[in-house]
Amino acid sequence: QKEVEQNSGPLSVPEGAIASLNCTYSDRGSQSFFWYRQYSGKSPELIMFIYSNGDKEDGRFTAQLNKASQYVSLLIRDSQPSDSATYLCAVGEGFQKLVFGTGTRLLVSP
Amino acid sequence: GAVVSQHPSWVICKSGTSVKIECRSLDFQATTMFWYRQFPKQSLMLMATSNEGSKATYEQGVEKDKFLINHASLTLSTLTVTSAHPEDSSFYICSARDYGSTSGSGNEQFFGPGTRLTVL
Repeated sequence: QKEVEQNSGPLSVPEGAIASLNCTYSDRGSQSFFWYRQYSGKSPELIMFIYSNGDKEDGRFTAQLNKASQYVSLLIRDSQPSDSATYLCAVGEGFQKLVFGTGTRLLVSP
Repeated sequence: GAVVSQHPSWVICKSGTSVKIECRSLDFQATTMFWYRQFPKQSLMLMATSNEGSKATYEQGVEKDKFLINHASLTLSTLTVTSAHPEDSSFYICSARDYGSTSGSGNEQFFGPGTRLTVL
């Protein structure tokens, strides 16, 4: 059973700080990794994906992948109260379905 | 681009009735769509993978005779919850992959807004 692990949180950060969200996965052969944001009562929204080891930046978001450690993270710079949501890490299983973690709840206080 | 719609956004029905939920890819063709269910404060649970023109692939523990999936065109998949009971009340979300995306990888899934089902 392929697993994706996330700390459920909540992770509390003050406005303007960097939020660091972490995710580990069990399948060493996984090739694709995704971060989704889900506001309460809404469906998930894709933030970014990463395939290669290293960092990938998109605006205030940076995804980091370390396949040797089976670890993927998401950094949110200059956190805003509007970033308060649950962040879901997802790992591609082959070229088909995604395996989701249980999500980390982020709270950004003004 | 990569917009997915769902209809209805919410539905309330009596126990024993059937409910059909539609999932459409609005600006791309989706040979594969996915159906998820999410209970309050829990993560997404994949129910089935819907393939255009063929039978859906159900996850272990999901009753295929209860959750009927039809993917008759490249832009439409439907989920029918048959003989719904209160324990089927949940948030049902579909997603689709845009294989033809020029900006993405083709493997990311784009989610519809979800359908909240309440069975009385």
